[in-house]
Amino acid sequence: AQSVTQLGSHVSVSEGALVLLRCNYSSSVPPYLFWYVQYPNQGLQLLLKYTSAATLVKGINGFEAEFKKSETSFHLTKPSAHMSDAAEYFCAVGSSNTGKLIFGQGTTLQVKP
Amino acid sequence: DVKVTQSSRYLVKRTGEKVFLECVQDMDHENMFWYRQDPGLGLRLIYFSYDVKMKEKGDIPEGYSVSREKKERFSLILESASTNQTSMYLCASSLTSLNTGELFFGEGSRLTVL
Repeated sequence: AQSVTQLGSHVSVSEGALVLLRCNYSSSVPPYLFWYVQYPNQGLQLLLKYTSAATLVKGINGFEAEFKKSETSFHLTKPSAHMSDAAEYFCAVGSSNTGKLIFGQGTTLQVKP
Repeated sequence: DVKVTQSSRYLVKRTGEKVFLECVQDMDHENMFWYRQDPGLGLRLIYFSYDVKMKEKGDIPEGYSVSREKKERFSLILESASTNQTSMYLCASSLTSLNTGELFFGEGSRLTVL
């Protein structure tokens, strides 16, 4: 069965610092992996997705994620945090077996001035 | 831009009431979804639909039903609301296959059951 684990329900960084949000997955078949962001009082929107092309995926707003099969990870990074990055971030995995997306528990990113 | 519209942002209902949550998308997407979002649990799939009048159970369908009479509209129904159904409900749609395509989400409907 597929699953997604996001390590850390809350992450706090200072403005300008590196952002690292961790995601590990389990999947018996090659996965499709996604990061979504949810700003306060809004729905989710896609940040980036991995679909077996390049292992380093670039997304919107300066975010990127690296697919590491050996570590079953898909961590999200951004070199320099902005105040506007404060939001909840969700990692998700999909497979052709189930035809569904499975979401992680979410990580709330706080950015301090 | 794709727009997914959920008819009610905030609802307050009493235990035992029947509740309808409506969702409309304007981009002719085949697939539509209802998720429930709770703190610490992420998003959990309630039901999804890949065509008009077609529906599939997700991971937590108990206590819910759905209706898709038209391609653009997907309704979630709580036949008899209970307090443990107090939650944020998110509707989403996608054009391509369920697991590879981008989901477009509505802004959510926050339901409180008293």
